[in-house]
Amino acid sequence: EPEVTQTPSHQVTQMGQEVILRCVPISNHLYFYWYRQILGQKVEFLVSFYNNEISEKSEIFDDQFSVERPDGSNFTLKIRSTKLEDSAMYFCASKFQETQYFGPGTRLLVL
Amino acid sequence: GESVGLHLPTLSVQEGDNSIINCAYSNSASDYFIWYKQESGKGPQFIIDIRSNMDKRQGQRVTVLLNKTVKHLSLQIAATQPGDSAVYFCAENGSSNTGKLIFGQGTTLQVKP
Repeated sequence: EPEVTQTPSHQVTQMGQEVILRCVPISNHLYFYWYRQILGQKVEFLVSFYNNEISEKSEIFDDQFSVERPDGSNFTLKIRSTKLEDSAMYFCASKFQETQYFGPGTRLLVL
Repeated sequence: GESVGLHLPTLSVQEGDNSIINCAYSNSASDYFIWYKQESGKGPQFIIDIRSNMDKRQGQRVTVLLNKTVKHLSLQIAATQPGDSAVYFCAENGSSNTGKLIFGQGTTLQVKP
């Protein structure tokens, strides 16, 4: 069964460093999303992406964040200058029609 | 065991019993609702969804009920098994047309053998 994959599974970085989180959505899906989940809290929407552009973003998704679909398979989330409060699980999701399927997540720890 | 009332952070049930997990959603414009199961260290896993033109939908061992009048969603799990132990989140689409999901707080289901 096709699934969303994410790399790396864990990332430790120093505050102020740039990180790139990678996702490979399900191949025939057209809509892509990033969410984050701070430890013990609910999942929060960050950004949606369709037709090679951002279709919606939350207030969390400030100028430090960017997304890109550099080729036909990858979907990336970049955090330019990480802050301590960026520490969280980051989930990629994709959908074709209605149901969003989530990847296993990247656990980001900012020190 | 069954949950009574609205959202509870933790629900503990005996193996073999039925479980009911409740969720109060926030946006009356939402027309699509979905339940996810999240096991420790993993991503949300799709369980079942329902559109607002329905009030009940059944899957394998799971049933989702939607009450739009009181903005309430519930997930019923029949014959709960140890493998059902996880955090369960409801999500709604709000008034967005981009498909973004708004998640609830989550309920931890603990199944006692």
